[in-house]
Amino acid sequence: AQSVTQLGSHVSVSEGALVLLRCNYSSSVPPYLFWYVQYPNQGLQLLLKYTSAATLVKGINGFEAEFKKSETSFHLTKPSAHMSDAAEYFCAVRFALGGKLIFGQGTELSVKP
Amino acid sequence: GAGVSQSPRYKVTKRGQDVALRCDPISGHVSLYWYRQALGQGPEFLTYFNYEAQQDKSGLPNDRFSAERPEGSISTLTIQRTEQRDSAMYRCASSTNRDRSYEQYFGPGTRLTVT
Repeated sequence: AQSVTQLGSHVSVSEGALVLLRCNYSSSVPPYLFWYVQYPNQGLQLLLKYTSAATLVKGINGFEAEFKKSETSFHLTKPSAHMSDAAEYFCAVRFALGGKLIFGQGTELSVKP
Repeated sequence: GAGVSQSPRYKVTKRGQDVALRCDPISGHVSLYWYRQALGQGPEFLTYFNYEAQQDKSGLPNDRFSAERPEGSISTLTIQRTEQRDSAMYRCASSTNRDRSYEQYFGPGTRLTVT
């Protein structure tokens, strides 16, 4: 079955440290991949997306993600965490044109001063 | 409008009552999606439309849930005879078919509480 797994429901980093949020998917065909961020009491906002153009994708707020087909992964990184990055992050995949998104369970990122 | 809007933002209802949740997509967006998000979980797909046609309703949990988009714009998700387990955040998203990524733009959600 097609699925998305985010390793770690909670990640805590210090301000200025590297952020790494992990996402793996299961599929025999390359999907479209997305990272969304959800701030408290707000809707989901797209951070970045992979659509088979370049494997390294740059998004908003300094985030980027690399699609690795051999590892079926799409991990999200940011070189230096900021306090404003504290939020919940969701990885999502879409396997069919125009079809539904399948979301991971989310990773809550905390940033310590 | 500038973005996807949903109403009401918060709904508290008693068990057994029917509720209707509304979604107004971005103007011109062909596709409209409904998701449900339980606390501490990622959104789960319910159903989606292209124009007024319901393309996939495989995520609707049972026949108490239904959705419509009669004119290909605004959509209503209806839950009949609500139960406490229906309490969740209900999210709507829309997308255009001009972008092959079919990026989905989400609304703020409706928080449903069934007492």
